[in-house]
Amino acid sequence: DGGITQSPKYLFRKEGQNVTLSCEQNLNHDAMYWYRQDPGQGLRLIYYSQIVNDFQKGDIAEGYSVSREKKESFPLTVTSAQKNPTAFYLCASSTQDSEAFFGQGTRLTVV
Amino acid sequence: GDSVTQMEGPVTLSEEAFLTINCTYTATGYPSLFWYVQYPGEGLQLLLKATKADDKGSNKGFEATYRKETTSFHLEKGSVQVSDSAVYFCALRGYSTLTFGKGTMLLVSP
Repeated sequence: DGGITQSPKYLFRKEGQNVTLSCEQNLNHDAMYWYRQDPGQGLRLIYYSQIVNDFQKGDIAEGYSVSREKKESFPLTVTSAQKNPTAFYLCASSTQDSEAFFGQGTRLTVV
Repeated sequence: GDSVTQMEGPVTLSEEAFLTINCTYTATGYPSLFWYVQYPGEGLQLLLKATKADDKGSNKGFEATYRKETTSFHLEKGSVQVSDSAVYFCALRGYSTLTFGKGTMLLVSP
């Protein structure tokens, strides 16, 4: 089945730790995205990539980093510089001009 | 920049009632427009889309018409079911990314 897979579903981070969220797609999409979702805030764009080895900051990139070494993979690292990382993180992919397909999300909690 | 504004919720309806969720947008050019649905604890699923003015997207009894003159893409359903309870997002495809509204929660009671 073609789709987009995020892992893990739940993730706990201690203060000062970096954590990496995985996102893999087998839809052969060029573009991939990371969004953060907080209650009442909708979706906010963190980073996006339109092609391998290239990515751009979104609206709330501070405290996050990404890489795009393979077309299928777009991992997101939440660094210790992100002061309020508790949120629901959504990864998506698309062709250059179509709708996005979303993964099931990762819920990150700081403990 | 691009923006999407949708009505705040929650929208509370009884089963079989008529649903409208308003969505307006600001964008350069002629963006594609989408409605997504999100069930608790899950990702977003595409509900319907329209790619040009006057197009009507439809799926599972939901409909929305791309109105360029009013820059709107309102979601409608003639008779909602309890299983339609979810959060609905309006979105547009800009030059390089998608822009989403804040979402509208729909609660349908039996």
